[in-house]
Parts: sequence; C-alpha cells; structure tokens
Amino acid sequence: DVKVTQSSRYLVKRTGEKVFLECVQDMDHENMFWYRQDPGLGLRLIYFSYDVKMKEKGDIPEGYSVSREKKERFSLILESASTNQTSMYLCASSLAGNEQFFGPGTRLTVL
Amino acid sequence: GEDVEQSLFLSVREGDSSVINCTYTDSSSTYLYWYKQEPGAGLQLLTYIFSNMDMKQDQRLTVLLNKKDKHLSLRIADTQTGDSAIYFCATRRAGSARQLTFGSGTQLTVLP
Repeated sequence: DVKVTQSSRYLVKRTGEKVFLECVQDMDHENMFWYRQDPGLGLRLIYFSYDVKMKEKGDIPEGYSVSREKKERFSLILESASTNQTSMYLCASSLAGNEQFFGPGTRLTVL
Repeated sequence: GEDVEQSLFLSVREGDSSVINCTYTDSSSTYLYWYKQEPGAGLQLLTYIFSNMDMKQDQRLTVLLNKKDKHLSLRIADTQTGDSAIYFCATRRAGSARQLTFGSGTQLTVLP
C-alpha cells in the first residue's frame, strides 16, 4: 500500500513566522505535489516536483517555496506566514502519469 | 486554463441513487477522475475513465462521459450513510503527464 505521510495534522503559527510542512512517501514515486484546499475552491496546485532537486510552479506559488533534496521527501515552506495562508494543505505523490496518492492533510492556522 | 465545475452540495436518502455532475472546459483531457474525501482525511481515488470511453461501471459506481458536452457524472447506486463525503472531479491537463485540475468538490449528504 502506498503511504503518504505529512508531519503534522494541525499547526498553529503566528503571522511572519517561517513554516515548514513536510511530506514523505514510501513508494519511490518520482512526482510529488503540494495543494491547498479551501471551501468552495477545491484543490489548487501550489508546486510540484518530478525529480530530486526539480520543482515547478503550480497555479498559486506566490508566498510559498519548496524543497526536494531526497526522492521520498517534499517540503513546503512559507517564508513569512500570513493569515490568508490559513488553509488545509495536502501532499500527493504519483508514479509517471498515474493516479495521485494523497496524505491526510495539514490544517494550518495563521494568527 | 482548464476549468472544472461541480455543484457544491447534494442530499439524498439512504437507498436512493446519487448522481454527481461535473463539467470541464478542456476537450483534450485524456483521463478524468473521481476522488472521495472523507471527513478529516486526504483524497482517495474512486474511479477514473479514459477519454475514449463513454461509460465505466465498478460495483455500485457508474461513470458516464459525454465528450461532446464535456460532461462527466458519477452515479452511486443504493447510497449508504458511509458514502457521505466530498467528491472531487479531476481532469489530467492536456500536455501534462502529471498535473490534474480539480473541481470545487460536491458535499454528498446521505439522509437516513
């Protein structure tokens, strides 16, 4: 069974803090994705990576960066958290163009 | 860019059929997916259909694809309370082997 894990289920941070969200997958998938999920907006792609040290911007990359130093790990970084980044963050991975497997999500609140 | 639209809410009675609809704009979408999200969980793939198919059936699930109208539907037969969840339609982006475009999700509520 593919397993995608995210470092925290719930996180509360203050405005201006640097925030790291970690995602790990155990199936040697080359593709990894970060989405944010907001009510009525569905999932929006922030960044994705198709190989170690490779990254591409998704639809809403502003205010975020990512890091992929190892194949199994993909980190999302909020350099200076703002209240409009309060959201549910979902990580996913996939092999080639096949289905994406999702982690349980991290609910981030920025005060 | 690609746009995928769904209605936000649907309520049905237990034992009835549910039909969740989705429209999309990119006629070159190759794969179309239905994901399910239960409360507090990530998304789980339910089923998918390739663009050269009209219909796919998998136990209680039936997917219908009308390419001319760019309309996708998911029918759940004999809906149970355990089917209450958010259902997302997603399309694989043209020219991309990796990226998906998701709809807003439909919250299905099954009433006893």
